[in-house]
Amino acid sequence: GAVVSQHPSWVICKSGTSVKIECRSLDFQATTMFWYRQFPKQSLMLMATSNEGSKATYEQGVEKDKFLINHASLTLSTLTVTSAHPEDSSFYICSARGTGVRLTQPQHFGDGTRLSIL
Amino acid sequence: RKEVEQDPGPFNVPEGATVAFNCTYSNSASQSFFWYRQDCRKEPKLLMSVYSSGNEDGRFTAQLNRASQYISLLIRDSKLSDSATYLCGLSGGYNKLIFGAGTRLAVHP
Repeated sequence: GAVVSQHPSWVICKSGTSVKIECRSLDFQATTMFWYRQFPKQSLMLMATSNEGSKATYEQGVEKDKFLINHASLTLSTLTVTSAHPEDSSFYICSARGTGVRLTQPQHFGDGTRLSIL
Repeated sequence: RKEVEQDPGPFNVPEGATVAFNCTYSNSASQSFFWYRQDCRKEPKLLMSVYSSGNEDGRFTAQLNRASQYISLLIRDSKLSDSATYLCGLSGGYNKLIFGAGTRLAVHP
């Protein structure tokens, strides 16, 4: 079946570092990908919609200059957490749905990236 | 009011029990509905889509009530392996998938 790959799975780094997370659709093209964040014991919160070839659409309250999204190809979206601080520590997950696939079809999720900022 | 609301639980049930979860939503324009299962520290995995006519997959039955704006998930003959957090998800315009906070289920021997 369709697979979404996310890399890296774990990141531990110092405060102030910028961290890039990759999300790839392995066997389908995805015009749109989605980035979520999940804090412990809380739900998945949609951060932004990544659009191939154009600017990402951010949800209310998400700083676009803090969370840079690039979707340069139909199979790759990246999320960069700039100047990360301990409060950015969270579980980041991407998802994608194949281009042209109906809304009734579910999205496919990556394995997630656990980010820990010291 | 949150866009998607779920009872957080936890629901603690013995093996073999039947358990039901509800999820209410506020946006009547929502078009597609799903139940996902999420294990601790893992990504969500699709359990089943939810259709207006209701649908069943083995021990799992999902229902959609558009008039009252809720979806439900029924699990029969609970197994220990069913212990997880169950997320309802819905999407509408702009292709966005929004989740509820999740309901925790703990099945004990």
